[in-house]
Amino acid sequence: GIQVEQSPPDLILQEGANSTLRCNFSDSVNNLQWFHQNPWGQLINLFYIPSGTKQNGRLSATTVATERYSLLYISSSQTTDSGVYFCAVNPTDKLIFGTGTRLQVFP
Amino acid sequence: DTGVSQDPRHKITKRGQNVTFRCDPISEHNRLYWYRQTLGQGPEFLTYFQNEAQLEKSRLLSDRFSAERPKGSFSTLEIQRTEQGDSAMYLCASSLAVANEKLFFGSGTQLSVL
Repeated sequence: GIQVEQSPPDLILQEGANSTLRCNFSDSVNNLQWFHQNPWGQLINLFYIPSGTKQNGRLSATTVATERYSLLYISSSQTTDSGVYFCAVNPTDKLIFGTGTRLQVFP
Repeated sequence: DTGVSQDPRHKITKRGQNVTFRCDPISEHNRLYWYRQTLGQGPEFLTYFQNEAQLEKSRLLSDRFSAERPKGSFSTLEIQRTEQGDSAMYLCASSLAVANEKLFFGSGTQLSVL
């Protein structure tokens, strides 16, 4: 089946710093989504982005489908950005999740 | 929009007991998914429904697991004869089967099997 790899596995930032999270996938997909799982376990959908670039406030995402990767940019990070960020793709009807990037933002 | 609702939030049971979880999707969503998540891992797909039809089940879903979605509304996930390895967070998600299909998750049910 399709493989989804995320890097880095862990990231520690000071408030105000910028960061880039990467997601590589091993096969063609028709759906790619980014999620944030907060420290209480709730998964929040950040982006639906099978290709191209989208921005939402301090967050933006870019997917290059032909090269099978996606990037999530977080600018001016805040402590509330802490948690785990997951990339998920679906070659068919179900989303396959990566192992995530754990982000800790300190004041 | 009330979001995806799951009940109970936590469940502690003894090995060998049966447990049942409920999920209420976003009302206009016709697809409903069950995932399982263990500590340090991403969610793993278990099964999904389109309306009342169960369209796919993962190999992870042993014969002790059964899911239903009567009338295409809420869904239940039952685990029979629970084992310690069943301890995990069980997540429900829903979506509308259209071109830009975003998935929305509930808060999950944390199962602990003693």
